[in-house]
Amino acid sequence: NAGVTQTPKFQVLKTGQSMTLQCAQDMNHEYMSWYRQDPGMGLRLIHYSVGAGITDQGEVPNGYNVSRSTTEDFPLRLLSAAPSQTSVYFCASSYGQGAGYGYTFGSGTRLTVV
Amino acid sequence: GQQVMQIPQYQHVQEGEDFTTYCNSSTTLSNIQWYKQRPGGHPVFLIQLVKSGEVKKQKRLTFQFGEAKKNSSLHITATQTTDVGTYFCASSGNTGFQKLVFGTGTRLLVSP
Repeated sequence: NAGVTQTPKFQVLKTGQSMTLQCAQDMNHEYMSWYRQDPGMGLRLIHYSVGAGITDQGEVPNGYNVSRSTTEDFPLRLLSAAPSQTSVYFCASSYGQGAGYGYTFGSGTRLTVV
Repeated sequence: GQQVMQIPQYQHVQEGEDFTTYCNSSTTLSNIQWYKQRPGGHPVFLIQLVKSGEVKKQKRLTFQFGEAKKNSSLHITATQTTDVGTYFCASSGNTGFQKLVFGTGTRLLVSP
């Protein structure tokens, strides 16, 4: 199994550009989430989903959109990139409530906005 | 909003010494998860606690969930250089497992 796959691994954007960070999982997990991690800091929840067609906001949703049309994919869209969005972005997935398996994380996308 | 505070922020120990990190919440938590992130890596799930007073062990790691379900701890006995990394607690509060919010993390450095 590939687990959670994030693409691209690295990206440089100019201020104002838009882009989509891809996330795919092959474990048939219902729950998926996006986090950002700034240098030396913890992980902050951007958006999450409990199943296809269902998404909700996390702690820091502004400037980001998500959709979940399939169980496997959970793309994160940056609408108009800003330098404050320079960060490492992690996608994660889990079986869901009570499973006790925790979240499986992708290897991350390192985004720089100039 | 839900907040989970973690202390200390950083700890530097000599190999063989013990290490403990604490996770505290002002509200009752339905669950606590612990993750480890190696430098330059991604978080890796270690364990989940859901019962009041629960204690779980993984080799040299001991995890506890407080009786009031408002705090948790991770204790490492006789640290090794392979224990280096940042340890995070995380919880979805009292709303199930979907909205997982992370603590600020404790960075552990182990000198040989």
